Amino acid sequence: GEDVEQSLFLSVREGDSSVINCTYTDSSSTYLYWYKQEPGAGLQLLTYIFSNMDMKQDQRLTVLLNKKDKHLSLRIADTQTGDSAIYFCAERGNNAGNMLTFGGGTRLMVKP
Amino acid sequence: ETGVTQSPTHLIKTRGQQVTLRCSSQSGHNTVSWYQQALGQGPQFIFQYYREEENGRGNFPPRFSGLQFPNYSSELNVNALELDDSALYLCASSLVPVDSANYGYTFGSGTRLTVV
Repeated sequence: GEDVEQSLFLSVREGDSSVINCTYTDSSSTYLYWYKQEPGAGLQLLTYIFSNMDMKQDQRLTVLLNKKDKHLSLRIADTQTGDSAIYFCAERGNNAGNMLTFGGGTRLMVKP
Repeated sequence: ETGVTQSPTHLIKTRGQQVTLRCSSQSGHNTVSWYQQALGQGPQFIFQYYREEENGRGNFPPRFSGLQFPNYSSELNVNALELDDSALYLCASSLVPVDSANYGYTFGSGTRLTVV
């Protein structure tokens, strides 16, 4: 079945850039997403990228997609303490239910 | 525009019992998907409901079942609860088909189920 992998933890200093990486296996993925989850909360959609794009920028967020290597990254510029959360990468393939397959999440800790 | 609301927010049940979780979809969304998020893991797809019928299912046993109502709200039912069913259950609403114009899966805050 499809698989999505992320590193578990990332620590950065406030003001630095953060880069969270994700790899996936489903070559039929149509959309790839980044979600943010704060403690005790649901998932907040941050951004998404269509599989025929290789980059998308949205204010402080930059998504890079290397479809050949099935590698997705999320760069957060000028990281703030409010960015501390768990970040999930998810892919949507061509399947019934348009299900999302999530990675295990990367915990981002931003130090003042 | 209201978002996705789930109830209850927390629930404690005993092994072997049955539970019903509820979800109201975002205004204008006709599809509801349910996900299970075990502690420290990413969400896993349970199933999706569209036009009151199941429209795709993940790798979950039949004791996980659901309903969708004409107003697009939905219920997740779990029978014969097991300890491993303890998790955060997330509901997400969307428009079908999901395409570049309506990419959004809007998630609720979830129901935290603890089975003891």
